[in-house]
Amino acid sequence: SQTIHQWPATLVQPVGSPLSLECTVEGTSNPNLYWYRQAAGRGLQLLFYSVGIGQISSEVPQNLSASRPQDRQFILSSKKLLLSDSGFYLCASRQGRNTEAFFGQGTRLTVV
Amino acid sequence: AQTVTQSQPEMSVQEAETVTLSCTYDTSENNYYLFWYKQPPSRQMILVIRQEAYKQQNATENRFSVNFQKAAKSFSLKISDSQLGDTAMYFCAFMKHDNDMRFGAGTRLTVKP
Repeated sequence: SQTIHQWPATLVQPVGSPLSLECTVEGTSNPNLYWYRQAAGRGLQLLFYSVGIGQISSEVPQNLSASRPQDRQFILSSKKLLLSDSGFYLCASRQGRNTEAFFGQGTRLTVV
Repeated sequence: AQTVTQSQPEMSVQEAETVTLSCTYDTSENNYYLFWYKQPPSRQMILVIRQEAYKQQNATENRFSVNFQKAAKSFSLKISDSQLGDTAMYFCAFMKHDNDMRFGAGTRLTVKP
């Protein structure tokens, strides 16, 4: 099975500062990769997904961007954080259409 | 875009009893996949059960089973013989062929001793 590494686990950043969250995948190749945000008490909102290197699909216009510089690396970034960017960010990986998604442990981001 | 609706923000059930969590979805696709994920307090997402839309037979995994009604676009999860360890957030997820995978808002399930 796949192993998803996400770091950091927790992060406190001031408004206006940049952000870089990294996700790497082990145990598979050419996975589909996803970034989700889970606001407090709410569901998972799909932010970005990628089917290959350099291929990013964005779901909602927002203050965030994503990149996939390598096959098993997915990065979530922001140039200037907003208070509304606070939340729990999850990276997920899938291999194949009918297979389950494997999730990282998540990053709790607090923008102050 | 596809939407997934979980109309029950919170549910509770007595240990050893049965509970059903509801999920509906909206899509014009004919081929797709449905999943139920569990998120315990550790926040780690765990797959509970999956269903391929082209299969009429409802999926079953031990104490977990689904009632898949394709025409009604309904995908409910039944947990039998509930255990304290089943306490978690449960998310319904929809995925279409192009790998777009979306989740509902979740149902917080509490199993009471």
